Amino acid sequence: DAGVIQSPRHEVTEMGQEVTLRCKPISGHNSLFWYRQTMMRGLELLIYFNNNVPIDDSGMPEDRFSAKMPNASFSTLKIQPSEPRDSAVYFCASSRGTGGEKLFFGSGTQLSVL
Amino acid sequence: DQQVKQNSPSLSVQEGRISILNCDYTNSMFDYFLWYKKYPAEGPTFLISISSIKDKNEDGRFTVFLNKSAKHLSLHIVPSQPGDSAVYFCAASRSGGFKTIFGAGTRLFVKA
Repeated sequence: DAGVIQSPRHEVTEMGQEVTLRCKPISGHNSLFWYRQTMMRGLELLIYFNNNVPIDDSGMPEDRFSAKMPNASFSTLKIQPSEPRDSAVYFCASSRGTGGEKLFFGSGTQLSVL
Repeated sequence: DQQVKQNSPSLSVQEGRISILNCDYTNSMFDYFLWYKKYPAEGPTFLISISSIKDKNEDGRFTVFLNKSAKHLSLHIVPSQPGDSAVYFCAASRSGGFKTIFGAGTRLFVKA
């Protein structure tokens, strides 16, 4: 049974470039979450979807960030234009229900914006 | 506004001794609490949880204690093993809600 799959594992880009992070949740899970991990703030919730619908994007730091979930098996997080302060590890997670259940995380994308 | 706080960035413990990791929360609406463990270059993995109707939950070497009046929970690892060296995240959520809020994490070092 495959877990949450994220790609790429590492992304190095220059300031101003567009970055797209991808996530495939566990089959049958209907909630998907994007988190960002930094040294200062730990794991921050950016946005979550339920049944492919964005429920709360209040954690998205700026309009430069956007996320989509076109179907139950795929989600993207896009940063445009990217800035050095966006450098962090971005995690995608999925769960079966509407909240409270344990989350299953992907291995993360290490983003470095130069 | 950090609703879940882990005030100790790191903790060092000798192998075989007890590790105690602490977590405080501010939102009294939280009723489900979880601990996750994270190794380098991997995503966090679920370790143990507790519902607000309980004050203790045990799973092998891991025990989580919840003090609702103090809005405090702790994770005890006994005995600690070198393989337990990792970052531990405390998390909280609300029944029927979607959000799981995480603390900043505590890095545990277990020395052989």
